[in-house]
Amino acid sequence: GAVVSQHPSWVICKSGTSVKIECRSLDFQATTMFWYRQFPKQSLMLMATSNEGSKATYEQGVEKDKFLINHASLTLSTLTVTSAHPEDSSFYICSARDLTSFTETQYFGPGTRLLVL
Amino acid sequence: GNSVTQMEGPVTLSEEAFLTINCTYTATGYPSLFWYVQYPGEGLQLLLKATKADDKGSNKGFEATYRKETTSFHLEKGSVQVSDSAVYFCALAVTNAGGTSYGKLTFGQGTILTVHP
Repeated sequence: GAVVSQHPSWVICKSGTSVKIECRSLDFQATTMFWYRQFPKQSLMLMATSNEGSKATYEQGVEKDKFLINHASLTLSTLTVTSAHPEDSSFYICSARDLTSFTETQYFGPGTRLLVL
Repeated sequence: GNSVTQMEGPVTLSEEAFLTINCTYTATGYPSLFWYVQYPGEGLQLLLKATKADDKGSNKGFEATYRKETTSFHLEKGSVQVSDSAVYFCALAVTNAGGTSYGKLTFGQGTILTVHP
C-alpha cells in the first residue's frame, strides 16, 4: 500500500525556537496533503490543507503565521512551528491523497511528537 | 457543520469476545464513512469504509454498515484477538453529488480497545 513518512518522529526544542516537520509520500504523488494535531486521548484536529504549488488553506482558529506550511513538490509538504511555546507541544500527523485516486482514501504518516520546553 | 461521535472508551475485552464500537454522525451533503485504526506507535490505517447508505464495509473480520436512517456506522467484530488492541477512529468525509470527495476528514474522539488473552 501507499506509504507516507514523517521526519523527525520525535523532537524536543526550547521555547522560542522553530521546528520543521517533513511529510513525504514515498511511492505516490500527492497534490493534497493534510496536517492534523492530536492531543493526548483526543481526536485528530485538522489544521490545514496543503496543496502543491499553492498556499495552504487553514482551518478556523489555526494561526497561519504560527504554523507555516509549504508544499513545494508532489511528494513533500513541510510544517514549520515558528517560535514554539510549551502549548504547541503535541502530536502532529500528516496525510496524503493519491494523485491518481478519486476516492477519499488518505494515507497517514506515523506522526511527529513535539515537546517544547 | 459535520461531526462524529464515538462511544467513550476505553473498552476492555477478553479474547474471542464480541466487539461493538458505536459511531453516530451529523453531516451536510453526502458523507462517506470510515473506520481508521491506530496501532501503538504507528500511523492511522484505513480499516474499512462505506460510501453510501446501506453499504457494508468489511475488513479483517470487522464490519460496519452505513445506516442513514439512524446516522450511524457502528463497528463490529464477532471475535476479537489480542492483536486488535488499538485506537479506533470513526470519520466522515463529505462528497458532492457526483461522489467526489472534498478530502477533509472529520474524526470522532477515538476509542481505545484493549483485548486480554
